[in-house]
Amino acid sequence: DTAVSQTPKYLVTQMGNDKSIKCEQNLGHDTMYWYKQDSKKFLKIMFSYNNKELIINETVPNRFSPKSPDKAHLNLHINSLELGDSAVYFCASSQDAAGRLNTEAFFGQGTRLTVV
Amino acid sequence: KQEVTQIPAALSVPEGENLVLNCSFTDSAIYNLQWFRQDPGKGLTSLLLIQSSQREQTSGRLNASLDKSSGRSTLYIAASQPGDSATYLCAYSSNTGKLIFGQGTTLQVKP
Repeated sequence: DTAVSQTPKYLVTQMGNDKSIKCEQNLGHDTMYWYKQDSKKFLKIMFSYNNKELIINETVPNRFSPKSPDKAHLNLHINSLELGDSAVYFCASSQDAAGRLNTEAFFGQGTRLTVV
Repeated sequence: KQEVTQIPAALSVPEGENLVLNCSFTDSAIYNLQWFRQDPGKGLTSLLLIQSSQREQTSGRLNASLDKSSGRSTLYIAASQPGDSATYLCAYSSNTGKLIFGQGTTLQVKP
């Protein structure tokens, strides 16, 4: 039974298109995240939500917009895709938010986005 | 500046060896430190979490230590096996809740 699941696993699309990546966690966690892993395998946070409220918004282009309909879901919508958006996007969740002890993070399997 | 450095970047050992992966960080105000494993084309699997008040955690053949004062953590793998081959990532949680990652150590254990 998958704890953090993302769809799709692979996404190939043309420049200029709009696409969404979905994420769901069945761990009952309060906090969800989006991370980006670039071509050099470096992972960096993009967004974090706690109980549907945005708490972290790193320096990410406005074309990226997260949406959290409930605390078990955090979707990532990307407008006007660019070649440089090609990367692996990981969703993650943790029980607690910033400043608390139980912040062990669990990750999804990733979505490999290729913009052509 | 929040930085995590992992040394070595790559490591190849024969099966059965004990090995140590190193992680150093510049931020002294960490909340916890987490070690992950990433297999090629896969997601991240959490291996061990060390709270800032703890000094080490153990799980099976894995032992992770944390020294906040020196900004260092080590992951010790005992009796390595080919199935341990993967990239090992170290990350600490800051007071904002985000994880700051190192670039990983890619381990190959040869049969």
